[in-house]
Amino acid sequence: GENVEQHPSTLSVQEGDSAVIKCTYSDSASNYFPWYKQELGKGPQLIIDIRSNVGEKKDQRIAVTLNKTAKHFSLHITETQPEDSAVYFCAASSWNAGNMLTFGGGTRLMVKP
Amino acid sequence: DTAVSQTPKYLVTQMGNDKSIKCEQNLGHDTMYWYKQDSKKFLKIMFSYNNKELIINETVPNRFSPKSPDKAHLNLHINSLELGDSAVYFCASSQTSGSVSEQFFGPGTRLTVL
Repeated sequence: GENVEQHPSTLSVQEGDSAVIKCTYSDSASNYFPWYKQELGKGPQLIIDIRSNVGEKKDQRIAVTLNKTAKHFSLHITETQPEDSAVYFCAASSWNAGNMLTFGGGTRLMVKP
Repeated sequence: DTAVSQTPKYLVTQMGNDKSIKCEQNLGHDTMYWYKQDSKKFLKIMFSYNNKELIINETVPNRFSPKSPDKAHLNLHINSLELGDSAVYFCASSQTSGSVSEQFFGPGTRLTVL
């Protein structure tokens, strides 16, 4: 089955700096890679996703890159703000796995004002 | 206008009891899921279900069973609760339509087994 590893487990940055979270996956059949943000006491919320036919996707301050050959993908947050503080999860999925998401271990991002 | 809702939000019960968690989605999606988040925040899929197929993560004990009265609901039944079942359980839904698509999560149910 799929295995997703995520680094770092914690990340502390100063407001206005950039934050980068990296993930690797094992199953070459995976073709969908979402990123979720989870705030305290809430469910995961999708912030951006990328499919295997695309190398990069950007949405305002958030961008995701995918390297299929190396089986890794990354989340980039620029101009971080205190409200970006949360736990971020990467995940991988494929149609032939019933669309079930395999999550990374999560990254606790702290943005210091 | 909640998309995916779960009840109850908190559930405290004794070891050995049987309990259920309800999930409803009003997005018109055809597939629903249950995930378990342990104390270390690790999220793990338990079930994937649409009106045609139930896919069970092989690590899930058979004390756990999903039940779907209709397309908009997927309830989770847990028999003979154990201490290790304490976790936050999330329901999610998506529209598969022949390809992988984004999943929307509910707010979670925190289960505490004493």
